[in-house]
Amino acid sequence: DTGVSQDPRHKITKRGQNVTFRCDPISEHNRLYWYRQTLGQGPEFLTYFQNEAQLEKSRLLSDRFSAERPKGSFSTLEIQRTEQGDSAMYLCASSFYLGQGGSTDTQYFGPGTRLTVL
Amino acid sequence: GESVGLHLPTLSVQEGDNSIINCAYSNSASDYFIWYKQESGKGPQFIIDIRSNMDKRQGQRVTVLLNKTVKHLSLQIAATQPGDSAVYFCAETLSGGYNKLIFGAGTRLAVHP
Repeated sequence: DTGVSQDPRHKITKRGQNVTFRCDPISEHNRLYWYRQTLGQGPEFLTYFQNEAQLEKSRLLSDRFSAERPKGSFSTLEIQRTEQGDSAMYLCASSFYLGQGGSTDTQYFGPGTRLTVL
Repeated sequence: GESVGLHLPTLSVQEGDNSIINCAYSNSASDYFIWYKQESGKGPQFIIDIRSNMDKRQGQRVTVLLNKTVKHLSLQIAATQPGDSAVYFCAETLSGGYNKLIFGAGTRLAVHP
């Protein structure tokens, strides 16, 4: 399978614990995005990387959240001191951006990681 | 698996009928629009996209229409099949930047045999 993969698919944790999710983008995609989706809602943007550089972070991303993409390939999203309000589906998407003005890059999503904080 | 879109508006159609799913987007400056399909427990799946310099774009069994005057987008699915049952989201973005997607609320499509 050459699509976006995410691990784990499901994570149940107790409030206050730290969790880390991994995303492996489509090979050679230079952009990687993280979104969060709660039940009944569309995904909401959290952050994105172009290669290894984190270029934008949403105000939704509190100080307890950190994301990395150390070698410009896979990415991790860590949530420290989890709260019940963090329960959601965390989606990763990747795209190939040509870097030309006005160009668009189609984002392809992974299956998501469903986080439940008890 | 989890259920996506528990309280979303639902469009119910008979198998073989055509479906039309509508979406109002928010930013008049958006110039790139995408329709995604999301099945329960899965991530959004790309269906079709359209740029703002177009009014219509056709794919296999799907057509997207864009009306920039009223900021309206629609997805038409021809000969709807049971496998089309899912939640459908439209997304908008402003190209040339980092292309953050802004998703609409979603519509559940239920196809009955």
